[in-house]
Amino acid sequence: GAVVSQHPSWVICKSGTSVKIECRSLDFQATTMFWYRQFPKQSLMLMATSNEGSKATYEQGVEKDKFLINHASLTLSTLTVTSAHPEDSSFYICSARDWGGGTQYFGPGTRLLVL
Amino acid sequence: DAKTTQPPSMDCAEGRAANLPCNHSTISGNEYVYWYRQIHSQGPQYIIHGLKNNETNEMASLIITEDRKSSTLILPHATLRDTAVYYCIADNTGTASKLTFGTGTRLQVTL
Repeated sequence: GAVVSQHPSWVICKSGTSVKIECRSLDFQATTMFWYRQFPKQSLMLMATSNEGSKATYEQGVEKDKFLINHASLTLSTLTVTSAHPEDSSFYICSARDWGGGTQYFGPGTRLLVL
Repeated sequence: DAKTTQPPSMDCAEGRAANLPCNHSTISGNEYVYWYRQIHSQGPQYIIHGLKNNETNEMASLIITEDRKSSTLILPHATLRDTAVYYCIADNTGTASKLTFGTGTRLQVTL
């Protein structure tokens, strides 16, 4: 149990385009999902906390207008990187926590390359 | 969440037990000790967690000191597939509680 999926697993796009990444909790309901970013040889950095039915909470230094987060249901959160630039190239990972709290489970990640 | 401290790297021979230490001297009473690992180019994988008592599951054992200021993750028979970065994190497991990832311990399992 406790499976989190992400789609796509990797994406290549041109500079200036927008990219949407989906995160789904497959066998549990998640009122809260989290989005992380990881650059090569670095640890995971939390970008934002996604709350079902409400606005996301962004960490300091993360541009909310650039990284749009939507948490429309208890099993789906999306991250849209708008007007992507090469410096946005990174490994994006989502996680989800069961509605009652408890262990946080992670998706397999999405590798984004912006040319 | 309480700060955790881990050695940057460790080696372990295949088939031997890997003992990964973690210090969390400022952990609060409602924070669990969580262990995750990240194999190259994958999302973190949950391993085990505990509050006070030692815990064991099919992947590993977790030993927490009585004062809860430190813990040890034990992989009883390490294999090459256990080569990964292991993260020790203190978490109160609240719905909106955020996990803070440190640099972890890079475990290299060798033949």
